[in-house]
Amino acid sequence: EVQLLESGGGLAQPGGSLKLSCTTSGFTFSTYAMSWVRQAPGKGLEWVSVIVPNGGSTYYADSLTGRFTISRDNSKNTLYLQMNSLRAEDTAVYYCARVAGSGSLHIPIDYWGQGTLVTVSS
Amino acid sequence: EVVLTQSPGTLSLSPGERATLSCRASQSVWSSYVAWYQQKPGQAPRLLIYGASTRATGIPDRFSGSGSGADFTLTISRLEPEDFAVFYCHQYGHSPLTFGGGTKVEIK
Repeated sequence: EVQLLESGGGLAQPGGSLKLSCTTSGFTFSTYAMSWVRQAPGKGLEWVSVIVPNGGSTYYADSLTGRFTISRDNSKNTLYLQMNSLRAEDTAVYYCARVAGSGSLHIPIDYWGQGTLVTVSS
Repeated sequence: EVVLTQSPGTLSLSPGERATLSCRASQSVWSSYVAWYQQKPGQAPRLLIYGASTRATGIPDRFSGSGSGADFTLTISRLEPEDFAVFYCHQYGHSPLTFGGGTKVEIK
């Protein structure tokens, strides 16, 4: 059974940093692209980032302007999202998601974690 | 960026009725790389349809997807009580990936 478990969310100050983790099991992590998708309270889904299986290519939503960094450790079956210069508008539930293949594009997301809440407030 | 506009925003229907949800893209989506997800309160989204019309594993056949170019539709032939939720369309053919704003299907 595919399982994705996010952690690392919580309260952060504006301008601060947080690092999210997503531990996975039930599939061969190193052969799948992985994504982060976020959802602001009461709002819709917003794609954040994707990373290919070997970590060699990463892509981000234009709105993030270099503040976020996606990475992975295939030896630990874990996906990460480093978030810097946080803003109030980054407040959201952050979902770890598996892409149904090894590409960064043209393949849908097929599994989602339960999400971790990030709140940016002073 | 491909903007996806979903309509209606809310659909009020009774169990047993047919639901028709629309997703319109601001430009043609390459090779119909469109998916549909269902999200219930407090839960993660669930993949229903990909490639515009292919049901994901374990999805009942009352769910069907259609469309091409810039116009896509999710149809639920006969609503079951567990189907009431928010539905999102998603295009994964163009970077950046984008989602529609969602359609809430509520019990009338």
